[in-house]
Amino acid sequence: EAGVVQSPRYKIIEKKQPVAFWCNPISGHNTLYWYLQNLGQGPELLIRYENEEAVDDSQLPKDRFSAERLKGVDSTLKIQPAELGDSAVYLCASSLNGLAGGEQYFGPGTRLTVT
Amino acid sequence: DQQVKQNSPSLSVQEGRISILNCDYTNSMFDYFLWYKKYPAEGPTFLISISSIKDKNEDGRFTVFLNKSAKHLSLHIVPSQPGDSAVYFCAAEIQGAQKLVFGQGTRLTINP
Repeated sequence: EAGVVQSPRYKIIEKKQPVAFWCNPISGHNTLYWYLQNLGQGPELLIRYENEEAVDDSQLPKDRFSAERLKGVDSTLKIQPAELGDSAVYLCASSLNGLAGGEQYFGPGTRLTVT
Repeated sequence: DQQVKQNSPSLSVQEGRISILNCDYTNSMFDYFLWYKKYPAEGPTFLISISSIKDKNEDGRFTVFLNKSAKHLSLHIVPSQPGDSAVYFCAAEIQGAQKLVFGQGTRLTINP
């Protein structure tokens, strides 16, 4: 069974440029998460989807970040414009039904460097 | 406000000995606790979890202990193997919110 797929794996952009990350969750997983991981820190939730609905986007900086999950499968996370402080690893995860105590499966992440 | 804290950034243990990783939390509304393991350039992978109604859960070489009165949990790895060298994250799930709050991680190094 294929795991969570993310692309690109690495991205270097100049500040003020836009950037987009793509995630393909495990087949059949209806819950999808985007996390931000700063160096030396644990992942922090940005947004959670149940199918195509964003059910928790309270931590998403909506002035520059946006996300979508069309048809309840793949998802994209966009930053426009990027700032130096956005340099981090962006992780996508999925789970089956988002059950309490259930395991989340993480992709390898996209390492973003903003110069 | 760090609700889940791993106060040891790193830990070094000799192969074959016990590794003990610690985690403290502040929110009484957490109902599940999980440990994830992360290798470089990979995403975190689930290791073991425990419900807040239990005080111990065991899976092979891995055992998690929960002390609710102290708001403390620990992960024991016995015996430690070189492949256990990784960063370990403690995570807690907020009751009903299906949301994980992660600690900062502890880098475990197993020395041969």
